[in-house]
Amino acid sequence: EAGVTQFPSHSVIEKGQTVTLRCDPISGHDNLYWYRRVMGKEIKFLLHFVKESKQDESGMPNNRFLAERTGGTYSTLKVQPAELEDSGVYFCASSQKGRVETQYFGPGTRLLVL
Amino acid sequence: AQSVTQLGSHVSVSEGALVLLRCNYSSSVPPYLFWYVQYPNQGLQLLLKYTTGATLVKGINGFEAEFKKSETSFHLTKPSAHMSDAAEYFCAVRIAGNQFYFGTGTSLTVIP
Repeated sequence: EAGVTQFPSHSVIEKGQTVTLRCDPISGHDNLYWYRRVMGKEIKFLLHFVKESKQDESGMPNNRFLAERTGGTYSTLKVQPAELEDSGVYFCASSQKGRVETQYFGPGTRLLVL
Repeated sequence: AQSVTQLGSHVSVSEGALVLLRCNYSSSVPPYLFWYVQYPNQGLQLLLKYTTGATLVKGINGFEAEFKKSETSFHLTKPSAHMSDAAEYFCAVRIAGNQFYFGTGTSLTVIP
């Protein structure tokens, strides 16, 4: 069984540009989560999808971040326009319906905004 | 407010020595507690978790952790470190709902 995959693994962009991160959860997992780790800091929750619906987006930093999960399969996280403080590692995780406590994480996307 | 504190951003141990990684949390309600490990270029992997019941939890790769409510701690231990244990370790807590709160991570170095 394939794990959670994320694309790209690394992205370097300039301030003001747009970047879109993609996450493919484990097949059949209703729950999908986005997290972010700024260098040296803790991993912080961004938002949670249940299928295609946003269950909790209280961790989204501001309206420059837009997450979608059309069709309830893969998800994208767009940052537009990117700022320097958006640099960090963005993790995606997924879990089965009713199994929130067992989240499977992807390898992360390392974003550097110059 | 919920928070997780991991004491020591870097820990070094000799191969064969005891591994002790500290985690303290703050929570007004009983938490679920987790330890994750991240090897280079890989995602976070669940080592072990405490939800209810026995407070001493055994995980993969010989790790275990003990939930001590009176100390609000969930320290991770392994009796004998192996070179393959070198990685970054994250403590996390789930209070209610679906949010996890993570610590800042502890990077473990194993010295041959």
